[in-house]
Amino acid sequence: DVKVTQSSRYLVKRTGEKVFLECVQDMDHENMFWYRQDPGLGLRLIYFSYDVKMKEKGDIPEGYSVSREKKERFSLILESASTNQTSMYLCASSTGGVWQYFGPGTRLTVT
Amino acid sequence: ILNVEQSPQSLHVQEGDSTNFTCSFPSSNFYALHWYRWETAKSPEALFVMTLNGDEKKKGRISATLNTKEGYSYLYIKGSQPEDSATYLCAPALSNFGNEKLTFGTGTRLTIIP
Repeated sequence: DVKVTQSSRYLVKRTGEKVFLECVQDMDHENMFWYRQDPGLGLRLIYFSYDVKMKEKGDIPEGYSVSREKKERFSLILESASTNQTSMYLCASSTGGVWQYFGPGTRLTVT
Repeated sequence: ILNVEQSPQSLHVQEGDSTNFTCSFPSSNFYALHWYRWETAKSPEALFVMTLNGDEKKKGRISATLNTKEGYSYLYIKGSQPEDSATYLCAPALSNFGNEKLTFGTGTRLTIIP
């Protein structure tokens, strides 16, 4: 079974802090994704990566950056956290155009 | 941002009844249509991926159809059970990245009343 894990289920950070969200998948998938989910807005794509060191902006990349140094790991970085980045963050991975496998999510609160 | 609409937003259905809901999306640059089920406190799980106009997929009591020319897909649940309670998300792949980049709708939240 594909497993996608995220470093934390719940995280509380202060405004202005640098925040790292980590995602690891164990099935050698080339594609990895970061989404955020907000009530009434659905899942919105922040960034995705289709290979090591490759990244593409999604629909809402502002305020975020990503890093993919190894195939299995995709990190989302909030350079200076703000309250409007309080959200549920979901990581996913996929290969060959088949469906995406999602992690359990990280609920981030920025105070 | 591409416009993917799901209707209704929420639905309450009596156990044993059948139901269906809709996903509409732009029909240009279409590569595939994904359906996911998202239960509370769990991760979204894939139900179907469909690519061809007229495609029909079935998984137990759940089935889906696809019309790529007019840009819509239907999800049907026959004989609803309490375990069907979840949010159902559709997500077309509509970009130059082919099958990989999905645009999610806001979902239909289904509640089955025992």
